[in-house]
This record gives sequence, structure tokens and C-alpha cells, in this order.
Amino acid sequence: KQEVTQIPAALSVPEGENLVLNCSFTDSAIYNLQWFRQDPGKGLTSLLLIQSSQREQTSGRLNASLDKSSGRSTLYIAASQPGDSATYLCAVPSGNTGKLIFGQGTTLQVKP
Amino acid sequence: GAGVSQSPSNKVTEKGKDVELRCDPISGHTALYWYRQSLGQGLEFLIYFQGNSAPDKSGLPSDRFSAERTGGSVSTLTIQRTQQEDSAVYLCASSLDVSSYEQYFGPGTRLTVT
Repeated sequence: KQEVTQIPAALSVPEGENLVLNCSFTDSAIYNLQWFRQDPGKGLTSLLLIQSSQREQTSGRLNASLDKSSGRSTLYIAASQPGDSATYLCAVPSGNTGKLIFGQGTTLQVKP
Repeated sequence: GAGVSQSPSNKVTEKGKDVELRCDPISGHTALYWYRQSLGQGLEFLIYFQGNSAPDKSGLPSDRFSAERTGGSVSTLTIQRTQQEDSAVYLCASSLDVSSYEQYFGPGTRLTVT
């Protein structure tokens, strides 16, 4: 059974710092991995999707890496800003159904 | 273009009543997913549709929960005889197809059962 874990559960950093969020999964036979952002009281916003054949994806100040063999992904946020404050979730599909298994999320606070 | 929309955004209902939650996926997306987000449980899968069929209903918590999708588009999630433990945010997502495609989420429906 696929399990997804995110560490740390919460993180507080001063503005401008570079930071790394971690995601691990128990079954390495995944089709892709998706990182989301969730603001309080809102739905999920897709940030990055990494296919199983890829090792990383970049979007602006965000860079996500994927190491299937070790069951890990990291989300790197460069030059953090207060607007980056949110909960970040990673998710992998269960088999080939697209049904996503989510981690518990990392709640990030970036202080001005 | 328009994203995934859900209605209502908030619903307060009395224990024992039935509720219907609606999801409008992105046009052209064949796959549609329902998830539930509650305190202490995180995000959990409920059901998904490929077209109008639901190959996987394994996440539905009980037989009080049902969902349908018509015309390969709009989906409704129905909860009968609501219980307090049904209180949660119900999220809908859609994607071009299952497996490799990115899922796009709606804003959710916050259900409160009193």
C-alpha cells in the first residue's frame, strides 16, 4: 500500500531564504509525482508535475526533483517571499488510476 | 479558460438530511475525481470517473455516499442521512485522462453537519 510522508510538518523562515521541502513514498512504481499549494480555506493549486521518466521540473523560483529508486522528491523554493506562505502537498497516483495519495503537507510561514 | 468549479461553496445541514454536491470539470477533461479533506485525516480519495463510468469506488466511506456523472461532464456527490463525521471539505479535480495527467482542483465545498 502506497504511503506518502512529508517532512517537516511545519517550517518558519525569514524572507529571502532558500528552502527545501521533502516528500517520500513507499512504492517506487509511480507514474508521476505532483506538488500542490493550498492557501487557507482554498482548494489546491498545482505547482509542478514530474513524470516518472524525469528527474526534475522547474517553474520560476520552484524546482522539484524526483528520485524514484530512493522514493523521494524535494521541492526547492528559492528566495522565499511572504506570499509563499501556504501548505505544500505532494501526491502520487495509486497504480495507473490517477487516484492520488497525498502526504500530510508542510505548512510554510515566510516572515517579512 | 474556466477552471474546475464546485457548488455550493458552503453547506450547513442538519444530521440525517441528504445533501448533493456538484462539480463542473474543465471542458474536455475525461477524468474526474472526488476527495475529502478533514482535520486529522488529511486528503483522502473517494471516487473517480473515466467518462461516465466509475471504475474505482473504493474510497467511499459508506453506502450513504454515492456519485454519478452524466454526459461525461458534471458530477454530483450525494450523501444520504448525513452524520457529524461527514463534516469536511469535499474537493473535486479533473484531468485530461487518468494516469499521467496533471489534476486540477476546484475550490471545494465545505460541509458542516450540525
